[in-house]
Amino acid sequence: GENVEQHPSTLSVQEGDSAVIKCTYSDSASNYFPWYKQELGKRPQLIIDIRSNVGEKKDQRIAVTLNKTAKHFSLHITETQPEDSAVYFCAAGGQYGNKLVFGAGTILRVKS
Amino acid sequence: EAQVTQNPRYLITVTGKKLTVTCSQNMNHEYMSWYRQDPGLGLRQIYYSMNVEVTDKGDVPEGYKVSRKEKRNFPLILESPSPNQTSLYFCASRRAGSYNEQFFGPGTRLTVL
Repeated sequence: GENVEQHPSTLSVQEGDSAVIKCTYSDSASNYFPWYKQELGKRPQLIIDIRSNVGEKKDQRIAVTLNKTAKHFSLHITETQPEDSAVYFCAAGGQYGNKLVFGAGTILRVKS
Repeated sequence: EAQVTQNPRYLITVTGKKLTVTCSQNMNHEYMSWYRQDPGLGLRQIYYSMNVEVTDKGDVPEGYKVSRKEKRNFPLILESPSPNQTSLYFCASRRAGSYNEQFFGPGTRLTVL
């Protein structure tokens, strides 16, 4: 089955700097790669996603890149702000959309 | 308001006492899932359902049961809870298809003594 590895497990950045979180997946049939943000005590919420036929997607300060050949995808957050502090999860979705496999999560701390 | 709800939100119980965590969604989603979240392990899928009366095991199904008698409801049953099932549980739902957003419930924090 699918296996998703996520790095780093914790990341501290200074406010205004960029943050990059990387994930690799094992199943070449996966074709949907969402990123979720979970604030303390809250539920995970989708922040951006990318499909396998797209190499990059941006939404204001966040962007995701996908390299299907290498089977890895990354989340980029620019101009980080304290409210970006949270746990971020990547996930990989299969061909039939019935299963999302999540990475272990990255704790992002933005220091002001 | 479109949402996924779970009850109870917090539960402390004792080993062996059967419990059910309810999950309901009002978005007419076909797919529903249960996850458990443990520190350093991320979100691990327990069971999922692709539609009414269609359920399948996820990655960590041992000790859990589910049912999907109605499209909106997907209860999680722990027949004989054990301390290693102490965790934060999330129900989630999404529309059928590969690219649709998955919505999570608010979570249920379960402690088994």
